[in-house]
Amino acid sequence: GQNIDQPTEMTATEGAIVQINCTYQTSGFNGLFWYQQHAGEAPTFLSYNVLDGLEEKGRFSSFLSRSKGYSYLLLKELQMKDSASYLCAAMDSNYQLIWGAGTKLIIKP
Amino acid sequence: GAVVSQHPSRVICKSGTSVKIECRSLDFQATTMFWYRQFPKQSLMLMATSNEGSKATYEQGVEKDKFLINHASLTLSTLTVTSAHPEDSSFYICSARAAGYGDTEAFFGQGTRLTVV
Repeated sequence: GQNIDQPTEMTATEGAIVQINCTYQTSGFNGLFWYQQHAGEAPTFLSYNVLDGLEEKGRFSSFLSRSKGYSYLLLKELQMKDSASYLCAAMDSNYQLIWGAGTKLIIKP
Repeated sequence: GAVVSQHPSRVICKSGTSVKIECRSLDFQATTMFWYRQFPKQSLMLMATSNEGSKATYEQGVEKDKFLINHASLTLSTLTVTSAHPEDSSFYICSARAAGYGDTEAFFGQGTRLTVV
């Protein structure tokens, strides 16, 4: 079956760095997405990886290892506004997104 | 990035009535639109996939006669929750995939908070 695993909740300190991991199992693979979702709002796109390696975009970076079925989202210089849920989603061979349950990130001052 | 507009953002309706939610792609043609529902503290659950001009494909366990989806044009899809009940109260989100984006990124609407009383 198809499955996405990510931690349910993480806590970090303002100004610090946090890494949110995601492992996936899909029928075929057409990329790995990370979305940010604040409570009561729709998800917003953060990153897309389809090749192995690290993609850096400002304070956020995303890493993919296709052989390991593994990705992580790295958030640097954490700000209070980064408190949100972070959703990992893998696209299968039919271009359907398989969603993780999301990681709730709590930022403490 | 491409913009998807979803309307209304919030709606309260009485049990037994129907509610229509619209999803529009404002600056691109959406060949495929997806409808999700999300319960509190849970991830997105795909309800159905609709392609312009054809019938929607519903996920297992989703009642197609209750959740009517129409994708009549390349810029508009609608979800109608018929005979709504309190258990239908949820956050409904549409997303659209644009032709020409390599069938990758999906753009989300703002979501609709439905409360059935």
